[in-house]
Order: sequence, then C-alpha cells, then structure tokens
Amino acid sequence: DAKTTQPNSMESNEEEPVHLPCNHSTISGTDYIHWYRQLPSQGPEYVIHGLTSNVNNRMASLAIAEDRKSSTLILHRATLRDAAVYYCILGYSGNTPLVFGKGTRLSVIA
Amino acid sequence: EPEVTQTPSHQVTQMGQEVILRCVPISNHLYFYWYRQILGQKVEFLVSFYNNEISEKSEIFDDQFSVERPDGSNFTLKIRSTKLEDSAMYFCASSRDFLSSGNTIYFGEGSWLTVV
Repeated sequence: DAKTTQPNSMESNEEEPVHLPCNHSTISGTDYIHWYRQLPSQGPEYVIHGLTSNVNNRMASLAIAEDRKSSTLILHRATLRDAAVYYCILGYSGNTPLVFGKGTRLSVIA
Repeated sequence: EPEVTQTPSHQVTQMGQEVILRCVPISNHLYFYWYRQILGQKVEFLVSFYNNEISEKSEIFDDQFSVERPDGSNFTLKIRSTKLEDSAMYFCASSRDFLSSGNTIYFGEGSWLTVV
C-alpha cells in the first residue's frame, strides 16, 4: 500500500501562509491525494483533493509535484480556527477506504 | 450544505451491553463507512458498506460488530457485548461514489461511546 509521510507538528503565526508538506514516493498513477483535517473533538473534515494538477478551493490550495511524489497543502492566511491535525491520505483503486495516519498537528499562534 | 448526522452524540453503557449507533448519511450518497478513534489515537477504519452489503472491513470489525441499513436513510453500527476497550469516538461517513474516481468522504461529528 502506498503510504504518506508528514511532519508530526508545525507552527504558524496567525494571518501568515502555511505550507504543510506530504511525501508519497510510492504513489501510483491512479491514486488521488486527499487532505482532511480534524479540529479538536470533531470529526475529520474534508479539505481538498487532487490527482495531478494543482487545485484550489475556498479552504486551501493543493500543490502537487510534477512527479507526484510529494504534495503541499497551502493555507493562505492561517487563523486560530485552522489549528487542527491535518492528514494527507492516498485514495487507492476501487473503493479501498481512506486510511488515516498520524497527520501533522498545526498550531496557530495569535 | 448537506451533512452526515449521528446519534447519540454521547452514550454511556455497561460492559456486556449491546449498543446501536445511528447515522443518517448524505442523501444521494451510495457508500457508507464507520471509523473509530480511541482517545489520543489515530482514526481507524472499521467497515464500508455498499448496495446493502459490506464492501470492506478491517481486522477490528469482528463478530462483535454488525452494520445495517434498515431503511432508506439510516445506517447503523451495532456493537454486541461491549468491552471497556470499545470506548471510543465512532464516526460515520459517506461518499457519493468510488473514492478512486475522485470522490471523497464526508464525516459526521461522531458518537462518543463510554463503556463502564
């Protein structure tokens, strides 16, 4: 199974951009890259996903490396509400369910 | 925005009792899931369900657990003879279609189960 590697924790100042990295060197050509986050005491929340091209939505941007072996979730202006655990997960073939790792715990400092 | 709803939000049960956790997935979604998260640990996959049958299940999902879609809207997780180690937050989720086709999963807020 393709796996992802993320830093355990990161810190950001409020209103600064945040770049959350994810390595997935064994990704296959059909694996989507999903990002979720989990705020304290809440369920995982979908953030963004993509296959090959960079993606933008109202929450974040996803930058995918040309070789697809890494990706970066970009929060353009971190707020205190963005403090959460961020998970980078590969979506495999068929309907194999998403498997959560430990993610990156993002702290936002006012 | 459509959302996955779960009940109860919190349940306390005695060891050995049966528990049913309920979920209403997003209405046009076809795939349903249960995950759990023991306090301080990772979110763990339990089971996925499609077309009225289990599609995938993890090693955690043993004979103690069962899932059912009793009607057109609800999706339930039954835990028979609960154990202390079943204490966890249980998340229901749903997706419109296959994840590999670019769909994604939407999670409910969870049901916190405490076994005493």
